[in-house]
Amino acid sequence: SQKIEQNSEALNIQEGKTATLTCNYTNYSPAYLQWYRQDPGRGPVFLLLIRENEKEKRKERLKVTFDTTLKQSLFHITASQPADSATYLCALLGGGGNKLTFGTGTQLKVEL
Amino acid sequence: DAGVIQSPRHEVTEMGQEVTLRCKPISGHNSLFWYRQTMMRGLELLIYFNNNVPIDDSGMPEDRFSAKMPNASFSTLKIQPSEPRDSAVYFCASRIRQGVESYNEQFFGPGTRLTVL
Repeated sequence: SQKIEQNSEALNIQEGKTATLTCNYTNYSPAYLQWYRQDPGRGPVFLLLIRENEKEKRKERLKVTFDTTLKQSLFHITASQPADSATYLCALLGGGGNKLTFGTGTQLKVEL
Repeated sequence: DAGVIQSPRHEVTEMGQEVTLRCKPISGHNSLFWYRQTMMRGLELLIYFNNNVPIDDSGMPEDRFSAKMPNASFSTLKIQPSEPRDSAVYFCASRIRQGVESYNEQFFGPGTRLTVL
């Protein structure tokens, strides 16, 4: 069956360090992958998109990699700040049609 | 731009009652999505529309759930009758769909927190 797995345990890191979040998937051949941020009580907000033929994408302090052989995407936040604390969701185009399927998300806590 | 608008923000109802959730997508967006989010199952797609036409409703859990999009600026998700297991946060999202495939981001509303007692 198709699965998207993100670390269910919260990731705690110190301010200034690089946070790395993982998204693994099975039985998908996604055309692209997206990352979203979700704050408590709010809807997800789009951050980055990476296509299957791209290895890496950057936006300011954010970097996403996409390895279709390993079936994995890594999401990095460099020079992390307490304001980066949130839940981060990966989403794949898969399962047929033009719909996104979301992972369950990883909670990131950046401490002073 | 006001973004995606959902109402109500919170809904508490009793089992067996009808619940109607409302969504106004961003003007100019032609795809609309209804999601449900719970701690156990995460964010699940219920149904989506392209140009007001339902394309995929395979995520709708039961016949108790129905969704409509009578025009480009309004959609409803109805649960009748509601059950305690329907308690969740329901999100509406919209995007611009161009051509057959679309890589465009989805814009989410603030959600409706539904509690069925």
